[in-house]
Amino acid sequence: QSALTQPASVSGSPGQSITISCTGTSSDVGGYNYVSWYQQHPGKAPKLMIYEVSNRPSGVSNRFSGSKSGNTASLTISGLQAEDEADYYCSSYTSSSSSLVFGGGTKLTVL
Amino acid sequence: QVQLVQSGAEVKKPGASVKVSCKASGYTFTGYYMHWVRQAPGQGLEWMGWINPNSGGTNYAQKFQGRVTMTRDTSISTAYMELSRLRSDDTAVYFCASVSMLRGVTSLDYWGQGTLVTVSS
Repeated sequence: QSALTQPASVSGSPGQSITISCTGTSSDVGGYNYVSWYQQHPGKAPKLMIYEVSNRPSGVSNRFSGSKSGNTASLTISGLQAEDEADYYCSSYTSSSSSLVFGGGTKLTVL
Repeated sequence: QVQLVQSGAEVKKPGASVKVSCKASGYTFTGYYMHWVRQAPGQGLEWMGWINPNSGGTNYAQKFQGRVTMTRDTSISTAYMELSRLRSDDTAVYFCASVSMLRGVTSLDYWGQGTLVTVSS
């Protein structure tokens, strides 16, 4: 069982927007602004898309945005494109042993 | 550009140990934490721990304490992850991932290509 809870799957049509949630506790998501989001295509290494809740690394499309409210963080992808179809994972710093925890992952299908 | 290049696939018997390497280039090796993350077939990501290549200090996930050892060789900008007493459920792709110490240990900015470790009798 993963420490952070994500929906198993979400879907959307090209051009639409989708949101993926990531729910934790006050010891992780709710307690720190250290939520990250990763995109992983099949057979590839994950890629950092968002760090510190809402910051985009250089080179990541501004169609990707992050936010947080209480113990739940969210990743929003606007203007869905076929290449966005992938698995998405959230992670958070946790006060438990100064470690990182991941969500179980969400499979995004672009219809 | 930043690159993390990992060693090749391994096949091990239960009870054995495996040591995976991760060679960094394109940045100052001692200025970035190195994390290790694994992914079992068809499963999600699992954080294993990190090493501070500057000091050699480590922080392991509780699940792996006593079985994992993370080390580094600064002369060749390479980090290592050794997992002992392997079981079949250790079969996974093992990734190294680095992040600048200026940002702490809170995200995984650059990733290696992954190393498949298969544990089978």
